[in-house]
Amino acid sequence: SQQGEEDPQALSIQEGENATMNCSYKTSINNLQWYRQNSGRGLVHLILIRSNEREKHSGRLRVTLDTSKKSSSLLITASRAADTASYFCATPWGNYGQNFVFGPGTRLSVLP
Amino acid sequence: DTEVTQTPKHLVMGMTNKKSLKCEQHMGHRAMYWYKQKAKKPPELMFVYSYEKLSINESVPSRFSPECPNSSLLNLHLHALQPEDSALYLCASSQDPWTDGGNQPQHFGDGTRLSIL
Repeated sequence: SQQGEEDPQALSIQEGENATMNCSYKTSINNLQWYRQNSGRGLVHLILIRSNEREKHSGRLRVTLDTSKKSSSLLITASRAADTASYFCATPWGNYGQNFVFGPGTRLSVLP
Repeated sequence: DTEVTQTPKHLVMGMTNKKSLKCEQHMGHRAMYWYKQKAKKPPELMFVYSYEKLSINESVPSRFSPECPNSSLLNLHLHALQPEDSALYLCASSQDPWTDGGNQPQHFGDGTRLSIL
């Protein structure tokens, strides 16, 4: 399947530390997206990286994409308690990329 | 606050009831989606509407019936649900999916938490 796989499944760190989450996928993609989900809420789009990009930054977020290894990583620097959430990678598929398959997600806990 | 509004936020219904979930967006997006999410699991795609036409139906049981009355509204009609259908139902939208090679983010509502008794 197209589904991405994330690791680790759960990550617990102290405030101020960096958090790194990884995502792997199986087939070629146009782009890969990362989403955050706070408990009981919907998903929030964080960043989209296209297949011809290797790295992208947004504030404290840094995403890398290695299409040769079919993998991506999300780095959150200087984490805060408010970063506690589940993080999912998503890979689009279908003729026009209109379908998303989400990875199993990483549950991040940032302890004060 | 999200730009995709879902109502109700919570719904408890019996297995013989008929109810509907509603989703609304005013961002001019032409694709809308229904997802089902169980606890500690990722969202699973159920239906995709593009330009008010159903384009994807991921083999969802017929007790779930989607409807897209116009480009801003999406409904999910529920009938004779089973206890295993208890989940968070998420609606999402995205811009024209037929351009830019699918490089479009999806915008999610906060979902309807559905409990089947």
